[in-house]
Amino acid sequence: NAGVMQNPRHLVRRRGQEARLRCSPMKGHSHVYWYRQLPEEGLKFMVYLQKENIIDESGMPKERFSAEFPKEGPSILRIQQVVRGDSAAYFCASSLTGERSPLHFGNGTRLTVT
Amino acid sequence: GQQVMQIPQYQHVQEGEDFTTYCNSSTTLSNIQWYKQRPGGHPVFLIQLVKSGEVKKQKRLTFQFGEAKKNSSLHITATQTTDVGTYFCASYGGSQGNLIFGKGTKLSVKP
Repeated sequence: NAGVMQNPRHLVRRRGQEARLRCSPMKGHSHVYWYRQLPEEGLKFMVYLQKENIIDESGMPKERFSAEFPKEGPSILRIQQVVRGDSAAYFCASSLTGERSPLHFGNGTRLTVT
Repeated sequence: GQQVMQIPQYQHVQEGEDFTTYCNSSTTLSNIQWYKQRPGGHPVFLIQLVKSGEVKKQKRLTFQFGEAKKNSSLHITATQTTDVGTYFCASYGGSQGNLIFGKGTKLSVKP
């Protein structure tokens, strides 16, 4: 029973390029969350999605960031025109039923912007 | 929006000593979850508390939810080097169902 799969594990981008982070939730999970973590800091909520719907994107910057969770395929977090400040670990988590369900996290994608 | 404040930020203990981290909110929480993140790893779910005054134990770990459901604590008895990591509390915020994390308590254990 595969857990939450994120790829790539490490991603290096030059300033101005695009970063695409992928997340396949656990089998049967239809709720996906994206979090950002800077070194030695906590987990900052970015966006919460269900299949084909964005439920809450209050933690995601309005510009350059977007997320989707299509009917088929993984959830994608897209960062356009990356800047050095986007360097961080991005974690995806999934849950079975949403509120009150435990989150199962992937191993994260470490994004480095040079 | 709802926030959970966690203290202390760091805790250094000698192996065998006890450890406690506290989570506080200004508003009533519907539930509280606790996660552990090992260095270089990802957060792993430990437990969820739902009821007022609830106490749950997992071996050397004891989790409590306050009577007013505004605070929670995680206590580790006789720490071991395997307990090293950052412990986060989290609660569902607002009406949208997103899980909000505290800033975490980073535990280091000296052998």
